[in-house]
Order: sequence, then structure tokens, then C-alpha cells
Amino acid sequence: AQTVTQSQPEMSVQEAETVTLSCTYDTSESDYYLFWYKQPPSRQMILVIRQEAYKQQNATENRFSVNFQKAAKSFSLKISDSQLGDAAMYFCASKTQGAQKLVFGQGTRLTINP
Amino acid sequence: EAGVVQSPRYKIIEKKQPVAFWCNPISGHNTLYWYLQNLGQGPELLIRYENEEAVDDSQLPKDRFSAERLKGVDSTLKIQPAELGDSAVYLCASSLRGYNEQFFGPGTRLTVL
Repeated sequence: AQTVTQSQPEMSVQEAETVTLSCTYDTSESDYYLFWYKQPPSRQMILVIRQEAYKQQNATENRFSVNFQKAAKSFSLKISDSQLGDAAMYFCASKTQGAQKLVFGQGTRLTINP
Repeated sequence: EAGVVQSPRYKIIEKKQPVAFWCNPISGHNTLYWYLQNLGQGPELLIRYENEEAVDDSQLPKDRFSAERLKGVDSTLKIQPAELGDSAVYLCASSLRGYNEQFFGPGTRLTVL
């Protein structure tokens, strides 16, 4: 079974600063994928970044990057140069090739202070 | 390109009443998902369709929940009768088979009084 754990219910950061959101996961499968989704108050889940487990290189999307530690089953999200529009709930999720469903963590509420 | 469309956005009903949610996936997406998101938690899968076939409905409470995806396009999720504990956000998502990215709709917020 897959599990995803986000241990930070809330985080805050000053605008233009850098913040890191933590996520750990567990799976017995070798072929899996990891994601970070953003959910603003509008409730629409938006994909921020994804990582294929077989890739050693950490994924990067503009100001968003991940630190994927496969042996430790850790998948943290770093947001650089935080902007007011980054304020939202952030969910870490995993998906195995077999199950085809996303398993989400509990979420981290990110606040950006102007 | 239009995204995943869901309606209604909000629904308030009294307990024991029936309710239905509708989802129109992105054109060409053969995989459709319904997720349940309780307040302060991450979404959990209720059911997954590949075209018109429900291939994973193990988390769907079948005594009161039902779903259909006629013709492999639109889908409807129904609750009958609704209970207080069903108050939540119901999210629909779609993807192309074999692709990892799921695209989500805006969800329906259900309140059961």
C-alpha cells in the first residue's frame, strides 16, 4: 500500500524568500511517480511539479524544485522567490504504475507574508 | 482547450435527500476519476473509469453511492440517501491512459444539513 505523509500542517514565509515543504512516502513498488499539487481557495488542484522515481536528477519548474531522496523516501518542495500568488494548500502525492491512482498527503497550508 | 468541467459548484441538501454531481472530462481523456476531499485532508479516490468501465471502485460506499459513465465521456456520481458525514468536496479528474498527469476540475462542495 502507498502512504504519503506531510508533517507540516502550516508554513509561512516572507515574500521573495525561499520555503521548503516536506513530504515522506512509502511504497513497495519500484515504478512510481511523485507529485506536488497546489490547491488555492478556488479548490482547483493544479500540478506544480512531478518526479519519476527512476530519474536521479531532481525536477525543476521555474521557481519550484524538488529534493528527491529515494533511499530516505523523501520528496520535499522548494519554492524560491515566494510570491503572494503562491499562497495555497500544497499536497504531495504518489502514484504507482500498477494502481494508477493518486495517493495524497494531508496537505500543508502555505501563507506568504508581504 | 477546455478543462475538466463540474457542476454544480455548490450544493446544499438535507440529510436523506438524493444528490447528483456531473463531470465532463477533457476531450479525448479516456480515464476519469472521482475523488472525495474531506475538510483539511487530501483527496481520496472513490472510483476510476477507463472509458465506460469502472476499473477501481473499491473505495466507493456502494450502499449509498453510485456512479456511471455512459458512452465513456461524461460521468455522474450519485448519493442516495445523503448523510451528514457526506459533507465534503467531490473532485473529478481526467487523464489520457498511460499518462501520469491528472487534470482536476473545480470540484463540488456538498453540504448536508
